[in-house]
Amino acid sequence: QKEVEQNSGPLSVPEGAIASLNCTYSDRGSQSFFWYRQYSGKSPELIMSIYSNGDKEDGRFTAQLNKASQYVSLLIRDSQPSDSATYLCALEGAAGNKLTFGGGTRVLVKP
Amino acid sequence: GAGVSQSPRYKVAKRGQDVALRCDPISGHVSLFWYQQALGQGPEFLTYFQNEAQLDKSGLPSDRFFAERPEGSVSTLKIQRTQQEDSAVYLCASSTPASGGQFFGPGTRLTVL
Repeated sequence: QKEVEQNSGPLSVPEGAIASLNCTYSDRGSQSFFWYRQYSGKSPELIMSIYSNGDKEDGRFTAQLNKASQYVSLLIRDSQPSDSATYLCALEGAAGNKLTFGGGTRVLVKP
Repeated sequence: GAGVSQSPRYKVAKRGQDVALRCDPISGHVSLFWYQQALGQGPEFLTYFQNEAQLDKSGLPSDRFFAERPEGSVSTLKIQRTQQEDSAVYLCASSTPASGGQFFGPGTRLTVL
């Protein structure tokens, strides 16, 4: 079992719709959770961080964390073609500092 | 301000050659990380520095991989006697407790022929 699991996709959503991405993890001691966006041929770009249970909103992005169920999700509202990218879920484990990444979910937003 | 920079952006090496990859972190970031990313996969942790101290090198795949950060700023990842399986993108990231996460450089794409 991988430490961080994501559906590889592609997740195809029409422009203007909500994209919903999920991520599950195995390390119950994980404290910090991050979502990165990675365009093809580019490096990961930090878009959201979340540290406590519940929702955190930033513009069109909402991150949700449920530590009891060991999942973290990302919602992208009003999806735009420019949101087409791979979204990487990452966490800092109990040991701290280093990030463990999922394999990423590829999102395609169709006009 | 300037982000993380890496050089070279692309490196082609013949099998058996040694390579050195450079990372210049965001000014003031005490933590520096190296990751390896294979095509279609998420980044994999290699090693971590806090200032000049290498606190974790558990991800280095073999003793051919060596990293240093002698003055607590610029870091170099060295790969000796490169092999084809070393072909990947090598990403450097930096952070500080107040930064809210790790920020990545553009990466170095290494191709070993």
